[in-house]
Amino acid sequence: DAGITQSPRHKVTETGTPVTLRCHQTENHRYMYWYRQDPGHGLRLIHYSYGVKDTDKGEVSDGYSVSRSKTEDFLLTLESATSSQTSVYFCAISDGGRGTEAFFGQGTRLTVV
Amino acid sequence: GENVEQHPSTLSVQEGDSAVIKCTYSDSASNYFPWYKQELGKRPQLIIDIRSNVGEKKDQRIAVTLNKTAKHFSLHITETQPEDSAVYFCAASNQGGKLIFGQGTELSVKP
Repeated sequence: DAGITQSPRHKVTETGTPVTLRCHQTENHRYMYWYRQDPGHGLRLIHYSYGVKDTDKGEVSDGYSVSRSKTEDFLLTLESATSSQTSVYFCAISDGGRGTEAFFGQGTRLTVV
Repeated sequence: GENVEQHPSTLSVQEGDSAVIKCTYSDSASNYFPWYKQELGKRPQLIIDIRSNVGEKKDQRIAVTLNKTAKHFSLHITETQPEDSAVYFCAASNQGGKLIFGQGTELSVKP
């Protein structure tokens, strides 16, 4: 498996609190992605990064922010969690070159109560 | 931006039959089209991919076809087995690296 780790794996939080999910990679891949997975919606892109401090919005970016201060780490922050953000969050990495396969982390199950 | 539509959302086949899943994409600049399999409770994993300069690719029982003019691509699984039961996702990506997925197809292979 590619060296990609998400933390925490499970989290329960209260509405209105800030939450940060971490994605850590040891592959030195250029691209990193955050997706959320909900029944009937597949994998929806929240934000992605194409380099250190270079990020862009995905399909469902409202209510989320990201930061990438170093190659290895991509942080996803829910500024003020809402129940609609209850989901499974997946991080993925890709080198973006000829080997463009994206490798996924184990996922983080977030419940907002 | 890119939009990927995937059909059907559920597919049930008898063991040994073939299964076909279809996707369409909107961004003509997309040049990479992977397919992922996700088993229950696990992470998605790549099963096959195709680039825009190729029309078809095979890997044992799995094949993918691409029609760039029509902007659609398909996954074909032959001689299906119960272990093929999973959710399958198509995706599209352009040179900028943005990777957009379809909604997924839940494939059930009945023994």
